[in-house]
Amino acid sequence: DVVMTQSPLSLPVTLGQPASISCRSSQSLVHSDGNTYLCWFQQRPGQSPRRLIYKASNRDSGVPDRFSGSGSGSHFTLEISRVEAEDVGVYYCMQGTHWPRTFGQGTKVEIK
Amino acid sequence: EVQLVESGGDLIQPGGSLRLSCAASGFTFSNHAMTWVRQAPGRGLEWVSTITYDGGGTYFADSVKGRFTISRDNSRNTLYLQMSSLRVEDTAVYFCLRGYMTPDFWGQGTLVTVSS
Repeated sequence: DVVMTQSPLSLPVTLGQPASISCRSSQSLVHSDGNTYLCWFQQRPGQSPRRLIYKASNRDSGVPDRFSGSGSGSHFTLEISRVEAEDVGVYYCMQGTHWPRTFGQGTKVEIK
Repeated sequence: EVQLVESGGDLIQPGGSLRLSCAASGFTFSNHAMTWVRQAPGRGLEWVSTITYDGGGTYFADSVKGRFTISRDNSRNTLYLQMSSLRVEDTAVYFCLRGYMTPDFWGQGTLVTVSS
């Protein structure tokens, strides 16, 4: 199975400051079709997860542009340019290239 | 508007069976693969199972293989997860998702509690 390793697991951030979450996979996530199926999800307290980023760097409709995804191969990053109060929650990366699908452990973002 | 509404969660004894349903609306259900993901209390996300758009292909996590079955009724726009030989460690909120490579929509989840 592809192991997804996120860091840090806890991320206290000051409002208005940037935040960065790393996600590394134990194998390359480049699919045979040439795409890289790496998603980022946000789970706010008490809510279902929602997708923020797909194919490593494509932001979903309605997602604020302070969120960005980057990376390739087996190393990926989610960045929040200026953290707002509504960004509190747990962020997960997930790979959709290999079976079984696997998630990172989650990174809890909180306000200092 | 895409909507996924799970139901069927319950308190069940170890060894028991349960069927979850996911009613889909707001999109052409028969065009999309569908996925179940679960989240144990206070824990992270775990992929459980996926079914192709036509039901011709199914995939399972090793932790549920041989105990869970996934199916769909495209005429009713409904996804199912039949769970049997349930274990305490199957206790979780079960989410229904649209898609399987980059799933884009999640339901609100249904709670399954396995306990004696």
